[in-house]
Amino acid sequence: GENVEQHPSTLSVQEGDSAVIKCTYSDSASNYFPWYKQELGKGPQLIIDIRSNVGEKKDQRIAVTLNKTAKHFSLHITETQPEDSAVYFCAATTYNNNDMRFGAGTRLTVKP
Amino acid sequence: GAVVSQHPSRVICKSGTSVKIECRSLDFQATTMFWYRQFPKQSLMLMATSNEGSKATYEQGVEKDKFLINHASLTLSTLTVTSAHPEDSSFYICSARESRTNYGYTFGSGTRLTVV
Repeated sequence: GENVEQHPSTLSVQEGDSAVIKCTYSDSASNYFPWYKQELGKGPQLIIDIRSNVGEKKDQRIAVTLNKTAKHFSLHITETQPEDSAVYFCAATTYNNNDMRFGAGTRLTVKP
Repeated sequence: GAVVSQHPSRVICKSGTSVKIECRSLDFQATTMFWYRQFPKQSLMLMATSNEGSKATYEQGVEKDKFLINHASLTLSTLTVTSAHPEDSSFYICSARESRTNYGYTFGSGTRLTVV
């Protein structure tokens, strides 16, 4: 089955700096890679996702890159703000598959 | 966008009692719903996958008789924690996958269960 590893486990940045979170996956058949943001006491919220037919996707301050050959994908947050502080999870799965696997999570703290 | 409603958000129950958690997809049909358990500062652990009208598929190590899952309609799945014990205290989260896209997973807001 799929195995997703995520690094770092904690990340602290100064407001305005960029933050990068990296994930690797093991199953070359995986073709869908979402990123979720989870605030304390709440369920995860999808913030961006990427499919294997593209290498990069951007949505305002958030971008995701995918390297299929190396089987890794990354989340980039630019111009970080205190409200970006949360736990971020990467995940990997295949189309029409019920087996989405999550990374261990990264606790991001943005210091004002 | 797709919305999943999960209730209750918090529940405290006595040891030995049962607790039911509801997960509803509000504006889409979900052929598949998922139940997760999350311990403090840890990732989401998949407990079971439920398909409308059929029995749930449980992950290894998850007791079927302890965690009863019902997915009677395309918009509602329930998780019942039976004969709850303090070690069942946790954060339970559901998610639903929209039938049309087969990609997107939308999560509920989670339920904090405390067994005293």
